[in-house]
Amino acid sequence: AQSVSQHNHHVILSEAASLELGCNYSYGGTVNLFWYVQYPGQHLQLLLKYFSGDPLVKGIKGFEAEFIKSKFSFNLRKPSVQWSDTAEYFCAVNGPSGGGADGLTFGKGTHLIIQP
Amino acid sequence: GAGVSQSPSNKVTEKGKDVELRCDPISGHTALYWYRQRLGQGLEFLIYFQGNSAPDKSGLPSDRFSAERTGESVSTLTIQRTQQEDSAVYLCASSPRRDEQFFGPGTRLTVL
Repeated sequence: AQSVSQHNHHVILSEAASLELGCNYSYGGTVNLFWYVQYPGQHLQLLLKYFSGDPLVKGIKGFEAEFIKSKFSFNLRKPSVQWSDTAEYFCAVNGPSGGGADGLTFGKGTHLIIQP
Repeated sequence: GAGVSQSPSNKVTEKGKDVELRCDPISGHTALYWYRQRLGQGLEFLIYFQGNSAPDKSGLPSDRFSAERTGESVSTLTIQRTQQEDSAVYLCASSPRRDEQFFGPGTRLTVL
């Protein structure tokens, strides 16, 4: 079955620092890749997604992620974080043998804290 | 409504009782999903509905869990004879196609 690993469970950064959150998945076939964010007290919402094409995808709020097929990775990046980026970040994969026919398989999440 | 809604937002129940959780998807979304998020864990897929097709129940953890959906509208997730390990946030998501899933606010279930 599909599995998703997020390497950092807790990350603390200062404002203006650069961010990279790691995500690796196990299934080697065709997959769709997502990063979701959950701000304190809010719903999960989509940051960005990759289905095909350019492996460097850009999302909302200055986030981007790079799909590297050979490394089974989809790391999230932001060059300069803000205090408002404090949130829980989830990497997710949609593909055969994962969470049902179309259900997403999620990583355990990374709790990001930005210090002013 | 503008987004996926779920009710109740919080539910406290006693071990052994049955609970029913409700999800109202975004109008027009054919796909509907239920997930469970235990404390400190990622989301765990439970069940998937797509239109009038038979649901994919492969993620349901036991036969105490069941879900229904009428057409492309409301879905209910039922947990019978609740156990303490059922305590979690139950999230519903809907999707217009095999694409982005839109999540509701979740129902926080606490089993005493």
